[in-house]
Amino acid sequence: GESVGLHLPTLSVQEGDNSIINCAYSNSASDYFIWYKQESGKGPQFIIDIRSNMDKRQGQRVTVLLNKTVKHLSLQIAATQPGDSAVYFCAERPGYSTLTFGKGTMLLVSP
Amino acid sequence: DVKVTQSSRYLVKRTGEKVFLECVQDMDHENMFWYRQDPGLGLRLIYFSYDVKMKEKGDIPEGYSVSREKKERFSLILESASTNQTSMYLCASSLDTGGAQYFGPGTRLTVL
Repeated sequence: GESVGLHLPTLSVQEGDNSIINCAYSNSASDYFIWYKQESGKGPQFIIDIRSNMDKRQGQRVTVLLNKTVKHLSLQIAATQPGDSAVYFCAERPGYSTLTFGKGTMLLVSP
Repeated sequence: DVKVTQSSRYLVKRTGEKVFLECVQDMDHENMFWYRQDPGLGLRLIYFSYDVKMKEKGDIPEGYSVSREKKERFSLILESASTNQTSMYLCASSLDTGGAQYFGPGTRLTVL
């Protein structure tokens, strides 16, 4: 079957570089955001989340930045590794509702 | 760690067959979800359940039904499978309705 990565924007980086993946969200009422990673043939995996009362949150090798003014979310991955190759997509919670998901960006890491 | 399991990784069925996809979560989550994922279309919500025996239609419920008889188990039913239901099906669970969702490994269904 077709890969979920087809038709997606792609970011290609070298191993060891820092990666920045961007997401424009749609609803100004959204108060909670999540980044997911999906490797080929697997289900999406939770990476990191952030609430709208914050503009930055750090995890292990990952940082999420939130700019509510322009409705923009980014995921920064430090020292990118081949194992980071996957589709990354953001999710937003528009108020008292379930999550809505972006279509994603494929990250390709070359050794 | 949250664990969500799905009954099959790959499934091949014929047009008109009744298909059952099972999902089980072990974290006592109230909410469970079924999505389909197709290239270029992202995740689309089929149905979700916020409690035992309770269900809500998602964005694309046509041709599907669901069952939640126990808190840990959420089933997706294709009453009469059609070729346009060939897809990757993902189950997820969450503690809160709008909270972080945790996904299973997916079932790639092919309808011939």
